[in-house]
Amino acid sequence: KAGVTQTPRYLIKTRGQQVTLSCSPISGHRSVSWYQQTPGQGLQFLFEYFSETQRNKGNFPGRFSGRQFSNSRSEMNVSTLELGDSALYLCASSLQGGGADTQYFGPGTRLTVL
Amino acid sequence: KNQVEQSPQSLIILEGKNCTLQCNYTVSPFSNLRWYKQDTGRGPVSLTIMTFSENTKSNGRYTATLDADTKQSSLHITASQLSDSASYICVVSTVYTGGFKTIFGAGTRLFVKA
Repeated sequence: KAGVTQTPRYLIKTRGQQVTLSCSPISGHRSVSWYQQTPGQGLQFLFEYFSETQRNKGNFPGRFSGRQFSNSRSEMNVSTLELGDSALYLCASSLQGGGADTQYFGPGTRLTVL
Repeated sequence: KNQVEQSPQSLIILEGKNCTLQCNYTVSPFSNLRWYKQDTGRGPVSLTIMTFSENTKSNGRYTATLDADTKQSSLHITASQLSDSASYICVVSTVYTGGFKTIFGAGTRLFVKA
């Protein structure tokens, strides 16, 4: 069974631009969660989608948004990029989600904002 | 305040030796506790997941323990290998009406030397 895939793996943007990251979950998984990881803050929860609905949300500004498609693939969008948005963005999929079961992480997208 | 604290921050051990990583949490109500291994530049990989009623769970050379009364968990690595060099992250989930919250520890960075 293929693992979680994320595209692109690396991305360089400038301040003010917007970016869209993509995540394809493991087949059969309906929950997709997004995380931001930085050296200073560690892993922080962005949001979780389940069956195309946002089920939970972390404490990030509205510039961070996401969506999930009927095939469970998910996208995350960050608008008006700031230098502090430079981070590794990880997505994770699971069968049930809601913090109840094992999550499987993708390799991440390394975003650098100049 | 819901917090997850891990110790030590970093650890250096010789190949073949055992080690124990600690995780203390103040998360309430408790839903489950997970340990992840994250290699540099890659997404975290789940090692164990434990609910309130479980106090030990093993995954090969990795053994996690949970004391829900004292809100402490440990991850014991037996006969360490060079490939065990990674960050180990403790994650605690809590469920409340309308959603769930996942709190990540800052991780313990383990270096295994030959």
